[in-house]
Amino acid sequence: GAVVSQHPSWVICKSGTSVKIECRSLDFQATTMFWYRQFPKQSLMLMATSNEGSKATYEQGVEKDKFLINHASLTLSTLTVTSAHPEDSSFYICSARTDGALNTEAFFGQGTRLTVV
Amino acid sequence: DAKTTQPPSMDCAEGRAANLPCNHSTISGNEYVYWYRQIHSQGPQYIIHGLKNNETNEMASLIITEDRKSSTLILPHATLRDTAVYYCIVRPDNYGQNFVFGPGTRLSVLP
Repeated sequence: GAVVSQHPSWVICKSGTSVKIECRSLDFQATTMFWYRQFPKQSLMLMATSNEGSKATYEQGVEKDKFLINHASLTLSTLTVTSAHPEDSSFYICSARTDGALNTEAFFGQGTRLTVV
Repeated sequence: DAKTTQPPSMDCAEGRAANLPCNHSTISGNEYVYWYRQIHSQGPQYIIHGLKNNETNEMASLIITEDRKSSTLILPHATLRDTAVYYCIVRPDNYGQNFVFGPGTRLSVLP
């Protein structure tokens, strides 16, 4: 199946700094990518929908100025956690589907574990 | 909100079939049933999906009832590596629609 790659797999940062997470579709183009967040022992929660060439759509309660999303190309979306705080520590996961394909599965990245100290 | 109901946890003996149920009584005609699993500290892994016919692939089988209100994921010979959280998701056939994850079923395969 298609591959979605996230980088880094894990990161530790100091409180107040910013962290960028990359999500790449390695062998297909994705106009739309999704960013999820998962806290320990909880399910995935959608944060935002990333659209190539336009602004991201954020879910209710997600601060767009804190979680900056840039969908720079059809194969790359980035999530930047700005001024990170310990409560932002979580598992961040992106997903993408093959462009124009209906009735297909979404492919998920391996996730990025962010720890803010 | 997730449109599915799954048992929170299940155990299965290694080598036996694991049958994971999912209730989706409010499913609409254009919604597919997808199954994903998540092994600890990894991203979700696609397993299988279907509309109304039973489906089988190298990982699992998906049995959907005739009224489509429930389905069962079958892992024919569970191994220890199948221990994971399994998510049943119903979703319309819409490219821009995201996948909504419920709490899933935590399957423990026991030696």
